[in-house]
Amino acid sequence: AQSVTQLGSHVSVSEGALVLLRCNYSSSVPPYLFWYVQYPNQGLQLLLKYTTGATLVKGINGFEAEFKKSETSFHLTKPSAHMSDAAEYFCAVSDHDFNKFYFGSGTKLNVKP
Amino acid sequence: GAVVSQHPSRVICKSGTSVKIECRSLDFQATTMFWYRQFPKKSLMLMATSNEGSKATYEQGVEKDKFLINHASLTLSTLTVTSAHPEDSSFYICSASSQGAISFTEAFFGQGTRLTVV
Repeated sequence: AQSVTQLGSHVSVSEGALVLLRCNYSSSVPPYLFWYVQYPNQGLQLLLKYTTGATLVKGINGFEAEFKKSETSFHLTKPSAHMSDAAEYFCAVSDHDFNKFYFGSGTKLNVKP
Repeated sequence: GAVVSQHPSRVICKSGTSVKIECRSLDFQATTMFWYRQFPKKSLMLMATSNEGSKATYEQGVEKDKFLINHASLTLSTLTVTSAHPEDSSFYICSASSQGAISFTEAFFGQGTRLTVV
């Protein structure tokens, strides 16, 4: 069975500061891991994903995440926050066979001027 | 990436009426579609999985008679909320994937539907 834990339902950073959103997962099989962003009243937009290969994956808008198997983590980072990054972020793990997704509870990112 | 279109994006209905939400894969054939519900300030919860031409598989706790899912073609799945009540108000999102296509290592999400039952 798969599950995802996101620590911190709200994270607040200053513009230009490092963004770190935490995600830990549980999976009985090698996981496929994803980060999605959701802007108010909109659907999910894929930021990045890890399936196989390089454990450091780069996504859109300057975000990246590193798959650490030993820590069962897939934390999302961005070196310098922009105001436009304010949104809710969801970490997810998927079932390989059917692409069924299990989402974390989400982290709302606030960026202060 | 592949495009999934969900319609309508917003709908307001009266208690007791039924509402149909459509999920279409525009440029690929979706053998499997998933329906999620997002409660206020909470994450997305999988409601059901539907495979083209067969009955949907519902997650525990989801009322199959209330949330009717039809996946009659490889490009269209519908979710009908029957006899809607205010507690059904939520954000519903579909996703679609094509099992067996090597390049598909993710599902593609629709834009979501905000349902408000008054």
